[in-house]
Amino acid sequence: AIQLTQSPSSLSASVGDRVTITCRASQGISSALAWYQQKPGKAPKLLIYDASSLESGVPSRFSGSGSGTDFTLTISSLQPEDFATYYCQQFNSYLLYTFGQGTKLEIK
Amino acid sequence: EVQLVESGGGLVQPGGSLRLSCAASGFTFSSYDMHWVRQATGKGLEWVSAIGTAGDTYYPGSVKGRFTISRENAKNSLYLQMNSLRAEDTAVYYCARGSTYYMDVWGKGTTVTVSS
Repeated sequence: AIQLTQSPSSLSASVGDRVTITCRASQGISSALAWYQQKPGKAPKLLIYDASSLESGVPSRFSGSGSGTDFTLTISSLQPEDFATYYCQQFNSYLLYTFGQGTKLEIK
Repeated sequence: EVQLVESGGGLVQPGGSLRLSCAASGFTFSSYDMHWVRQATGKGLEWVSAIGTAGDTYYPGSVKGRFTISRENAKNSLYLQMNSLRAEDTAVYYCARGSTYYMDVWGKGTTVTVSS
């Protein structure tokens, strides 16, 4: 079964910082990976799909890259509204839809 | 405006049943796969079920045989029938629209609490 492991699990950063979150798949999954942002008490919001495609309306400071087993979400210059928890997600033919365990991004 | 609104959550005893509903608006409901995703308090996201446009259904092992997803396209509605509920099913349940393998629109969620 394919598992997704995010690192770090939590991260402290300051406004203006460049931040990178990693998602590693236990087996290759081509580019079928999505990233979501979730703020406390709110539903998840799609940010990135197909590893690097930006969802409509999402600020360009968010970007994604990777293929196979290693993927990254980068925020080029952190804004106050970006402090949230981020999840990666993929699809596979066995466990179907799987999420990473999440990365909590906190203000330093 | 594309919108998903869940309802039907509440408190239920272990072993009991509950039916969640999701009302869709602002898009052609029948043309999209739909999902249920849950989140226990302080925990991550867990996919619960999916239904395709042809009515094909999918479940992870944790709920297979206990939960049933269904849709009623004429009413733009998605449902989740949950039977034999356990304490570990306690969570916020989200309805989400599927786009190939990812979920591009989410509802605000409905809370299910399984407790005696």
